[in-house]
Amino acid sequence: QQQVKQSPQSLIVQKGGISIINCAYENTAFDYFPWYQQFPGKGPALLIAIRPDVSEKKEGRFTISFNKSAKQFSLHIMDSQPGDSATYFCAASSSGGSNYKLTFGKGTLLTVNP
Amino acid sequence: NAGVTQTPKFRILKIGQSMTLQCTQDMNHNYMYWYRQDPGMGLKLIYYSVGAGITDKGEVPNGYNVSRSTTEDFPLRLELAAPSQTSVYFCASSYFVQEGTQYFGPGTRLLVL
Repeated sequence: QQQVKQSPQSLIVQKGGISIINCAYENTAFDYFPWYQQFPGKGPALLIAIRPDVSEKKEGRFTISFNKSAKQFSLHIMDSQPGDSATYFCAASSSGGSNYKLTFGKGTLLTVNP
Repeated sequence: NAGVTQTPKFRILKIGQSMTLQCTQDMNHNYMYWYRQDPGMGLKLIYYSVGAGITDKGEVPNGYNVSRSTTEDFPLRLELAAPSQTSVYFCASSYFVQEGTQYFGPGTRLLVL
């Protein structure tokens, strides 16, 4: 059972446009939601993360929006650049009990055309 | 700091062969993880460790084994390679689990023929 559903699978955006990637989760115990960015041939790297006590977190051109009641969160990339072309993974984890694991979405391949 | 290092970068195995994927971190992290990444399937957790001498199964442990004798090293063992194990393998580590960034290695690409 996939606990974090990510969409779309792939996304093509023009330079300067807004890229939006959505994730939905099922486990209400999740309370930490990071996004990872992965360039071809590299390992994923943390991009930005949010906890559910805030509805939005912004770091530069990257913003996470969080909707606790809908159990959804999304990544917005403003003024998208060709250098943003990568695969993006959302993830979730729980701080309760002995859960030491991140559950990842299946990823979104973002292509930003010049 | 080298961070998380993995060897080899690429390997071709024949069906039934065995090999060990090496992972080392120099950040003194307690938590270490092995993932496999298949196209369009995201990252699947194979095994993880919360400290030296302690390991546990993840989502897809069948066909793999791990050990953690030191804080730094977390090798992944494939005993009888099968074509289904063709994948890219990533090792990761973190200091804190909750809100703790997982630092990933560069990956090992494995092809089983």
